[in-house]
Amino acid sequence: GEDVEQSLFLSVREGDSSVINCTYTDSSSTYLYWYKQEPGAGLQLLTYIFSNMDMKQDQRLTVLLNKKDKHLSLRIADTQTGDSAIYFCAERDTDKLIFGTGTRLQVFP
Amino acid sequence: DTEVTQTPKHLVMGMTNKKSLKCEQHMGHRAMYWYKQKAKKPPELMFVYSYEKLSINESVPSRFSPECPNSSLLNLHLHALQPEDSALYLCASRDSGDGYTFGSGTRLTVV
Repeated sequence: GEDVEQSLFLSVREGDSSVINCTYTDSSSTYLYWYKQEPGAGLQLLTYIFSNMDMKQDQRLTVLLNKKDKHLSLRIADTQTGDSAIYFCAERDTDKLIFGTGTRLQVFP
Repeated sequence: DTEVTQTPKHLVMGMTNKKSLKCEQHMGHRAMYWYKQKAKKPPELMFVYSYEKLSINESVPSRFSPECPNSSLLNLHLHALQPEDSALYLCASRDSGDGYTFGSGTRLTVV
């Protein structure tokens, strides 16, 4: 099966940039996604990237994809306390989303 | 309406009870999904419905029974659950494009 790995925890100061990393194993994935989950809540789609792209920018979010290394990252510029949450990357395998292990982002003043 | 609505938000049930979880979307999405998320873990796929037909069952025990009565509605019928089935149950839908929209989930506790 596919394994999607993320580092467990990231702590940043408010106003700094955050970079959350993800590695995946299925080279046939067509789309890769980033979701945000706040405590007790569902999943909020942040952004997604097609596998033939290497970068996508959407306001404070920048996604980088290195298909050769099967590495995906999410950069959040000017991180705010409201960005504190768990962030999941996910790869799409036919009609299934395979989620990463999740990274807890903590933003401190 | 750009939301996936799940009811109830919380459910406590005994091991001999029968209950149902409901998911509704009015975005015209033709694919709908059930995911299960245990505490501190990523969501795991349970079922996929495409055009109201079950297309994927990830070897889910028969005590979980999905139903798609129409293109806007997805149910998950629960019977004879175990305490280890306690989790957050998430519904999602997808249009012909590529974004998956998730509901806020039903937090299920089996006692």
